[in-house]
Amino acid sequence: DAKTTQPPSMDCAEGRAANLPCNHSTISGNEYVYWYRQIHSQGPQYIIHGLKNNETNEMASLIITEDRKSSTLILPHATLRDTAVYYCIVRVGNDYKLSFGAGTTVTVRA
Amino acid sequence: KAGVTQTPRYLIKTRGQQVTLSCSPISGHRSVSWYQQTPGQGLQFLFEYFSETQRNKGNFPGRFSGRQFSNSRSEMNVSTLELGDSALYLCASSKGQGGEKLFFGSGTQLSVL
Repeated sequence: DAKTTQPPSMDCAEGRAANLPCNHSTISGNEYVYWYRQIHSQGPQYIIHGLKNNETNEMASLIITEDRKSSTLILPHATLRDTAVYYCIVRVGNDYKLSFGAGTTVTVRA
Repeated sequence: KAGVTQTPRYLIKTRGQQVTLSCSPISGHRSVSWYQQTPGQGLQFLFEYFSETQRNKGNFPGRFSGRQFSNSRSEMNVSTLELGDSALYLCASSKGQGGEKLFFGSGTQLSVL
């Protein structure tokens, strides 16, 4: 079963920041937070992951609360190509049985 | 560097037949995982192979099997196909050392008629 809770959908205006929340209140100390996205009929694409510190890469930023019970994925300048289903996953490092929930369907509008 | 390659991209079979799907991981990656994605159940883990050995297995019947070759390429087989096996089958590769990200292929869309 998925260990995360995400809103089912959200809209975002093109060029604006998109903030995607995720609750993972039962996260264990050795579980990482991963974000993937899936564009229709393609395989999931890795975005970013973190353990307890905030992380940033060329695609997004990940903000993890101090108690690690929730996190936010930030897409700084959303484009139409960012329209996808975004999955928040918690996983122990050597666990390959990723548990995907329903994710958040993000629609970026012009 | 080439990504994860899955073949074929589309497949149509009839009930009772069997099917074999192929996955070529990224060069240097030794772990291959397989997932089934359906509209009703979402993405579900099938199994994971590392160095030709199955390390993890999901909750699927024995009709679903897999193997990995010495070059890390992997195949999965579904025997006695059922209508409910219609799905997008995805494979993901990684170095297999733990903690690293998984790279997914585009999947094989299987339709069972």
